[in-house]
Amino acid sequence: AQRVTQPEKLLSVFKGAPVELKCNYSYSGSPELFWYVQYSRQRLQLLLRHISRESIKGFTADLNKGETSFHLKKPFAQEEDSAMYYCALQNYNAGNMLTFGGGTRLMVKP
Amino acid sequence: EPEVTQTPSHQVTQMGQEVILRCVPISNHLYFYWYRQILGQKVEFLVSFYNNEISEKSEIFDDQFSVERPDGSNFTLKIRSTKLEDSAMYFCASRTGFSYGYTFGSGTRLTVV
Repeated sequence: AQRVTQPEKLLSVFKGAPVELKCNYSYSGSPELFWYVQYSRQRLQLLLRHISRESIKGFTADLNKGETSFHLKKPFAQEEDSAMYYCALQNYNAGNMLTFGGGTRLMVKP
Repeated sequence: EPEVTQTPSHQVTQMGQEVILRCVPISNHLYFYWYRQILGQKVEFLVSFYNNEISEKSEIFDDQFSVERPDGSNFTLKIRSTKLEDSAMYFCASRTGFSYGYTFGSGTRLTVV
């Protein structure tokens, strides 16, 4: 069975500090991993997917199959980055359903 | 930018009543989903729908739940006889066949009293 774990429910940093939101997964196949973000009172939005290896809003995430991790990083946090961040794994063998982690609330203090 | 629209944003219903949650996916999307999030818990998969039929469903999606795409634009989730534990935020999502990412609606908060 697939599983996604985000060990931190809350991460609080000061503006300009580096950020790392942790995500670990377990999946027997080749994983397809994503980060979704939910700003206050807004909908879940796709932030990053590992296959595209892109940087969005300064965030990057690298898939480490050895450590089964997909941590989200940003070198210099901004106040507008404050939001809920969800790591998710997509299962192609099951209707492309997403399995979400529990989410991490990032608070960036001025 | 196209959006997935969900109505209502908040619904309060009495235990045992039927409720229908409505969603209008993006018009050229082919795959449709319902997820839910009980307060303080993870976002959980309920059901996926493609080509006018359910393609996958979770253990949560029991006989009390059903989905329909009655007119080619709306995508509905029906709960036949609501229970207190059905209280949650329900998210509709859709995607094309060519992209991996989902587009989510803003959710319907269902409160069963």
